[in-house]
Amino acid sequence: GEDVEQSLFLSVREGDSSVINCTYTDSSSTYLYWYKQEPGAGLQLLTYIFSNMDMKQDQRLTVLLNKKDKHLSLRIADTQTGDSAIYFCAEISNNAGNMLTFGGGTRLMVKP
Amino acid sequence: KAGVTQTPRYLIKTRGQQVTLSCSPISGHRSVSWYQQTPGQGLQFLFEYFSETQRNKGNFPGRFSGRQFSNSRSEMNVSTLELGDSALYLCASSDSTDTEAFFGQGTRLTVV
Repeated sequence: GEDVEQSLFLSVREGDSSVINCTYTDSSSTYLYWYKQEPGAGLQLLTYIFSNMDMKQDQRLTVLLNKKDKHLSLRIADTQTGDSAIYFCAEISNNAGNMLTFGGGTRLMVKP
Repeated sequence: KAGVTQTPRYLIKTRGQQVTLSCSPISGHRSVSWYQQTPGQGLQFLFEYFSETQRNKGNFPGRFSGRQFSNSRSEMNVSTLELGDSALYLCASSDSTDTEAFFGQGTRLTVV
């Protein structure tokens, strides 16, 4: 099946920028997503990008998409302790209806 | 607007029993998807319903089933529970554009 991969862990200092990376294999991906999960909670949709775009900015969040390399990144500017959570990237493809394929998640730890 | 509501939040069942989980989507959303989240396998797609019809199905055994009612509320059922079914079960709803999937808080099922 199609794969989505992320690094497991990222640690940053409060006020720094965080960059979380994701790679995917499905060349027919149409939308790519970033979700945030805090302990004991469901998934919160942070942002998404259509596959024909290469960048999307939403307040402190910047998504970059390199479709050629199948690489997606999420940059969080001025990272706060409240940003500590697990971040999942996910993709939907034309071939899979409304089914999201998720990466394994990156745990972001923000140190004061 | 109310978000996606899942009930119950927590459930403890014994091996061999069956369980039914409920999901009420965001008002106006007609697509409901179910996902299983475990530490070992991550987030995996179970199935998706749209207008009372199963539109997509993941690779889970027949013990996992679901349905959707005319008011778009959905239930999933797991029969003959196994220890490995212990997981966080997440439900997501989408509108007719299928662009964004919004998740509920999940139901944490523990099988003992």
